[in-house]
Amino acid sequence: TQLLEQSPQFLSIQEGENLTVYCNSSSVFSSLQWYRQEPGEGPVLLVTVVTGGEVKKLKRLTFQFGDARKDSSLHITAAQPGDTGLYLCAGAISNYQLIWGAGTKLIIKP
Amino acid sequence: EPEVTQTPSHQVTQMGQEVILRCVPISNHLYFYWYRQILGQKVEFLVSFYNNEISEKSEIFDDQFSVERPDGSNFTLKIRSTKLEDSAMYFCASNLGQGKQPQHFGDGTRLSIL
Repeated sequence: TQLLEQSPQFLSIQEGENLTVYCNSSSVFSSLQWYRQEPGEGPVLLVTVVTGGEVKKLKRLTFQFGDARKDSSLHITAAQPGDTGLYLCAGAISNYQLIWGAGTKLIIKP
Repeated sequence: EPEVTQTPSHQVTQMGQEVILRCVPISNHLYFYWYRQILGQKVEFLVSFYNNEISEKSEIFDDQFSVERPDGSNFTLKIRSTKLEDSAMYFCASNLGQGKQPQHFGDGTRLSIL
């Protein structure tokens, strides 16, 4: 069974602090996506990383794909209350199938 | 921005009944997917569909499940005889191509089996 371990599961920090979410696997992914999911809605794509070592930035969010394409991180700088939500990583293990992390529930306190 | 739409948003069905969940993928996308998420658990892959046939399916997608693209816009998931454990959020997704192309998701159908 292929697994994608996501940590931490829950994180509550003050506005202005930095944080990092990690996704790790023993599997190699052809790509890895990060999604954000609000209650009662479907996952909304934030970014796709494809190349080992790739770094992508989305405003205060920085996404990195590991050199071996087995792991990824999401770093948020100067977190704001609007960043509150559930963040999910999903790795492509075949041409079609994504396997998912369990999610990180992030709360940013004003 | 184009989006994947799913109907109904919530479906309540008696155990043993058939249910059809509907999806309209993004219009120029070629690959379609169904995932499910049992409350409190990870999102799980069910099936992918391309060129009017299943391209990949998981162990969850047994003979009780089927998918169909009945016309040029809809993509459906049918569960033939529902069980209590089929209660979950079902998400439809689509993308332009396989592998590295990101999948875009609908808001899901909450299926409750009584």
